[in-house]
Amino acid sequence: QKEVEQDPGPLSVPEGAIVSLNCTYSNSAFQYFMWYRQYSRKGPELLMYTYSSGNKEDGRFTAQVDKSSKYISLFIRDSQPSDSATYLCAMNDNSKLTFGKGITLSVRP
Amino acid sequence: DTAVSQTPKYLVTQMGNDKSIKCEQNLGHDTMYWYKQDSKKFLKIMFSYNNKELIINETVPNRFSPKSPDKAHLNLHINSLELGDSAVYFCASSQGVQPNQPQHFGDGTRLSIL
Repeated sequence: QKEVEQDPGPLSVPEGAIVSLNCTYSNSAFQYFMWYRQYSRKGPELLMYTYSSGNKEDGRFTAQVDKSSKYISLFIRDSQPSDSATYLCAMNDNSKLTFGKGITLSVRP
Repeated sequence: DTAVSQTPKYLVTQMGNDKSIKCEQNLGHDTMYWYKQDSKKFLKIMFSYNNKELIINETVPNRFSPKSPDKAHLNLHINSLELGDSAVYFCASSQGVQPNQPQHFGDGTRLSIL
């Protein structure tokens, strides 16, 4: 079992939809949870960062961490075509970042 | 202004050759990384340097040798290239090694082995 599992996708939704992206993990030492967004032919960029369990909201984006279930989510409200990208969850156990495989999201106008 | 820049952007070469990729960051960070992203988009750390010292070396073949001449630069030299080395290599940097420090990525070097 990989340390971080992410829904494989791809995912295609109409503009305005609510998108839910999810990751599960097995390493209880993970304490820092991130979501990176990667546009085609570009490097990943940090979108959201949370520490331990709870929710964090930033505009249309909400990151949720449930450490008891070893489950994290990213919600995108009112999705836009500009949100079309690959989303990677990432986790840190004080030594290094471990990434999920990424899910490619396409938002149709 | 590009924060983390890598050269070259594309690299096409024959099996068995030796090649280098260069990375420079102008963010004033003291920690730099090399990641490999395979064709399935899986991003995995290879090396990390903090203040020019190697701190992470993730079971990468000896053919890969990183070098950090100063805090702003981290290069990657690859000997005897193999087909399986085809991937996108990303350089990243952060301010310190603390896990809450965001990592800033370059746009990658696309390496294709013929």
